[in-house]
Parts: sequence; structure tokens; C-alpha cells
Amino acid sequence: AQSVAQPEDQVNVAEGNPLTVKCTYSVSGNPYLFWYVQYPNRGLQFLLKYITGDNLVKGSYGFEAEFNKSQTSFHLKKPSALVSDSALYFCAVREPNSGNTGKLIFGQGTTLQVKP
Amino acid sequence: EAQVTQNPRYLITVTGKKLTVTCSQNMNHEYMSWYRQDPGLGLRQIYYSMNVEVTDKGDVPEGYKVSRKEKRNFPLILESPSPNQTSLYFCASSARDPGNTIYFGEGSWLTVV
Repeated sequence: AQSVAQPEDQVNVAEGNPLTVKCTYSVSGNPYLFWYVQYPNRGLQFLLKYITGDNLVKGSYGFEAEFNKSQTSFHLKKPSALVSDSALYFCAVREPNSGNTGKLIFGQGTTLQVKP
Repeated sequence: EAQVTQNPRYLITVTGKKLTVTCSQNMNHEYMSWYRQDPGLGLRQIYYSMNVEVTDKGDVPEGYKVSRKEKRNFPLILESPSPNQTSLYFCASSARDPGNTIYFGEGSWLTVV
């Protein structure tokens, strides 16, 4: 069965330091991978996605993610964290043949805390 | 501006009192879905719709109904809400190709007492 794992419930980093939020997946075939961010009392905002091509994907707000097929991972990264990056981050996967359902499989979420 | 709009954003209701959460998108998307978000579980799909008059169950459909009479609207209906349906609900829409981004609404906080 397809699944997404975010092994850390919370990640703490100091402002200005690099950050990584981890994500691994288990799906059949070549997945479509997504990162979303949820700020307090707000909806889910799309950050970036990997469909095909270059394994390093750049997205909104200076975030990027690296697709690693051999490790089945899609870790979210940012070179220099901001306090305003503090939020709940979700990794999600969509199977290429899931077109009829439009369904995303989500990880459980990782809370990112960036301290001044 | 591309938007998925949900209403109400916040609602406290009592067990058994029917309620409807509306969802509307302005992107002419074929696919629409409802998810619920619960702590430690991420988001789980409740129902989805591939197009007008075409709907099907997601992973957690019990206690919910949906309808898709118009392309832009996809209301979620709780005929007889129970406390275990207290959750944060998201409506989502996307174009047909699975490589397209799925867009989410702002969420609806529902508390059933």
C-alpha cells in the first residue's frame, strides 16, 4: 500500500541556519511528490512538486526539495531559515495512475520551529 | 485570483443536527475532493468527484455525503454529525492530469458537541 512517512514530529532550527524536513515514500511506479505548508489558522499552501526531470526542485519562499529515487526520499530544504518559516509542513504523494481519484497521500506532518 | 472557497470557516454544532459545508472553486477544475485533518494522521480523503454528477468514496467516507451538481461547487453534508467528526476539513480541486497541483481551501473547523 502506498504511504508517506515524515519521521520527525518537530524540527527546531535557529534563524539563519539551514533546515531540512524529511520525507520518505512507498508507492508503486514513479510518484508525483508534493510539499505543502500550513500556517496557523490558514489553509494548505502549495510549496513545490516533483513530477519528472531534475531531481532538485525549487519552490516558493526559497524552499527546495531533492528527489532521491534509490532512497525513496523527498526531503525539503532551505539554506537559511526565517522565523516566519515556522509552520506545519506536509509531504504528499500522488500516483501517476491515480488520475481518477485526484487523491494525495499525506504524511503526518512536521512542525518546524525557527527560533530567533 | 485562483481560489477554493469554503464556508463556514468555524462551526460548533450539536450531535445529530444536519449541516453542510460549502466549497466553490473558480479554476474550472474537473476534480474536487474533501479531506479531513486530524492530529498525527495528516489529511485523509473523504470523498472525491471526477466531474459533474460523478462522485465516489475516499478513505474515510462514513457519516458524510457529497453532491456535484455544478462543476464549481462540491458541498460536504453531514446528515447526523457525531463528536468523532470534530475535525478540520479541507476542500481541494485540481485539473485532470495527476501532475497538476492540487489547490486547497482555507479549511473549516467543525466541532460537534
